[in-house]
Amino acid sequence: QKEVEQNSGPLSVPEGAIASLNCTYSDRGSQSFFWYRQYSGKSPELIMFIYSNGDKEDGRFTAQLNKASQYVSLLIRDSQPSDSATYLCAVSQGLEYGNKLVFGAGTILRVKS
Amino acid sequence: DAGVTQSPTHLIKTRGQHVTLRCSPISGHKSVSWYQQVLGQGPQFIFQYYEKEERGRGNFPDRFSARQFPNYSSELNVNALLLGDSALYLCASSLRRTTDTQYFGPGTRLTVL
Repeated sequence: QKEVEQNSGPLSVPEGAIASLNCTYSDRGSQSFFWYRQYSGKSPELIMFIYSNGDKEDGRFTAQLNKASQYVSLLIRDSQPSDSATYLCAVSQGLEYGNKLVFGAGTILRVKS
Repeated sequence: DAGVTQSPTHLIKTRGQHVTLRCSPISGHKSVSWYQQVLGQGPQFIFQYYEKEERGRGNFPDRFSARQFPNYSSELNVNALLLGDSALYLCASSLRRTTDTQYFGPGTRLTVL
C-alpha cells in the first residue's frame, strides 16, 4: 500500500465547473496536509495547507480533511484553463519525521474551454 | 522577497561522474530539504537540514550526500552517477524544523547519459 494515493487521472472538466481532487493516506499519525500545483516542466507551487478536520477555503480553492477516514480533498470552483496542471497531495507525518513530506504521484487536471 | 533559488537549471553528466547542486533558501528560513522527482511521479524526500545539521534522510544510497552552510544555503552531492539518477532535483525551504509549510525552488534538471 502506497503511503499517499491519488487517482492519476486525467480528470477532465469543462471551464466553469467544479474540479474535485482526492487523496488518501496510510499513516494515522499524519499531522499536516498540503496541496501543490505543478505545471509541466516546472516545480511544485503551494496552493493550500490544512491541519484540522473540516474545510478550509481560499478563493476558488477549498481543502477538506477527514482524519478518521484518512482522506483529504481539494475542490476548485469555477475551473479555468489555467488550472490545467498536475495536483500533488503531500503529507507531513509527524514531529519525529521533521519536515519530510510524502507525496502522491499526482492527479492530472485538464480544464476544457 | 526572493524565493528559493537553485543552480544550475540544467545539467548533463555521464555515468560515473559526480555532481553538485546548490540551493539558497528564502531569507529567514533555516530549514532546507531536498527531493528527487522522476518523470510521472511525485517528489521523493532525500534529506532535510536544519541549523546546519542533518535532520532527516530518505531511502537513498550513500552516493547521495548534502550539507548546509552558515548562511543556510545547501549543497546536494551525488557520486558515481547512474542513469536512474536522471530527474528533477528540488530544494524546499521552510522556517521551522518540523511539519512546516515548504516552498520549492525551480529545480535542477539532471540528465545522466
